[in-house]
Amino acid sequence: QLQLQESGPGLVKPSETLSLTCSVSGVSISSSGYYWGWIRQPPGKGLEWIGSIYYSGSTHYNPSLNSRVTISVDTSKNQFSLNLSSVTAADTAVYYCGAAAEYWGQGTLVTVSS
Amino acid sequence: QSALTQPASVSGSPGQSITISCTGTSSDVGNKNYVSWFQQHPGKAPKLIIYDVTNRPSGVSDRFSGSRSGNTASLTISGLQTEDEADYSCSSYTSSSTWVFGGGTKLTVL
Repeated sequence: QLQLQESGPGLVKPSETLSLTCSVSGVSISSSGYYWGWIRQPPGKGLEWIGSIYYSGSTHYNPSLNSRVTISVDTSKNQFSLNLSSVTAADTAVYYCGAAAEYWGQGTLVTVSS
Repeated sequence: QSALTQPASVSGSPGQSITISCTGTSSDVGNKNYVSWFQQHPGKAPKLIIYDVTNRPSGVSDRFSGSRSGNTASLTISGLQTEDEADYSCSSYTSSSTWVFGGGTKLTVL
């Protein structure tokens, strides 16, 4: 059973970098046929796709966040990560990591505030 | 990229059927067979209920069905049950190799 779990700081200061990690269990993150991604949901609002990384290593990001986002994989730890730089209050949201859109972590609330 | 367009809310009575629309463009919904639908209860992670326009993941009730006509995809829920009350969001792969979501629709079961 594929399971995912987000981890990282729940509070980030404006202008700093938001860093989250998604730990994957039940399947190797190097397995073909899966892609790994991040979405977020600001309080009271809809879902927003952040970006995805494929087993080939290629990445695709939301154009509105492209210059600030990096998604990477650590095969040795079976994890993938999200870095979002220069955050503002508008980046306050519940962040979810997912696999092939079918499997999702429970989500983690990240608040941007000084 | 612009968000897909969904109605803000829909409602129905137990046993009835409802349909939620999701309108995009020829660069996403209308041209890619990768439209998905998610169900989300308050405080919970999204749950995939339809993928590739019409397919249901294992374990999802056959009361949920998906379709598409032109640039508009639709989710139909038949035989409404109280536990269907939730937010529903569509998403589509795009010609730019990105994904885009709809704004979400709140379903109320009266």
